[in-house]
Amino acid sequence: AQKVTQAQTEISVVEKEDVTLDCVYETRDTTYYLFWYKQPPSGELVFLIRRNSFDEQNEISGRYSWNFQKSTSSFNFTITASQVVDSAVYFCALIGADSWGKLQFGAGTQVVVTP
Amino acid sequence: DAGVIQSPRHEVTEMGQEVTLRCKPISGHDYLFWYRQTMMRGLELLIYFNNNVPIDDSGMPEDRFSAKMPNASFSTLKIQPSEPRDSAVYFCASSLRGGEKLFFGSGTQLSVL
Repeated sequence: AQKVTQAQTEISVVEKEDVTLDCVYETRDTTYYLFWYKQPPSGELVFLIRRNSFDEQNEISGRYSWNFQKSTSSFNFTITASQVVDSAVYFCALIGADSWGKLQFGAGTQVVVTP
Repeated sequence: DAGVIQSPRHEVTEMGQEVTLRCKPISGHDYLFWYRQTMMRGLELLIYFNNNVPIDDSGMPEDRFSAKMPNASFSTLKIQPSEPRDSAVYFCASSLRGGEKLFFGSGTQLSVL
């Protein structure tokens, strides 16, 4: 069985602060993919990143960075110098090789950035 | 590319009525997914198709729900009869291959009164 845990329900920060979203996953698959999606107030789901289980290199994209640690089954996401437009719900998700169609989502973390 | 297209955007119906949600995936994508989002349960996978064939419908809540994909460019999710607890946002998504990123439609906000 696969499981994704996002323990933080809501994080509130002031603009320009950094914010880190935690994601812990469980899977028996040795091959799997991890994802982050953003859901702004408008409601659409926006893809942010996909990472395969064999690539533990951290990734940076502008103000976004991701820290993948297989040893702790974590795939954390950091927003540096947050902006009001970063206010959204962020979902971590997992697909295992045994069931390529089943993208399992975490509960999501609501990020609120105030000016 | 127009992306995944869902219709309608909003649907308000009365309990007991039949509801049909529609989805056009991105052309060339082999996988199509139906998800439901509620405050209580988050994002739940209802069913997914590979090359128009239903692969896993274990997430479909009950027999009132059914989904079809008659061809590569169209899918429907039907609820008959609808109940107030079916009120949710229903998302359709597609992906090029298994394990690839999912592209989501804008969702259908369903309200069953």
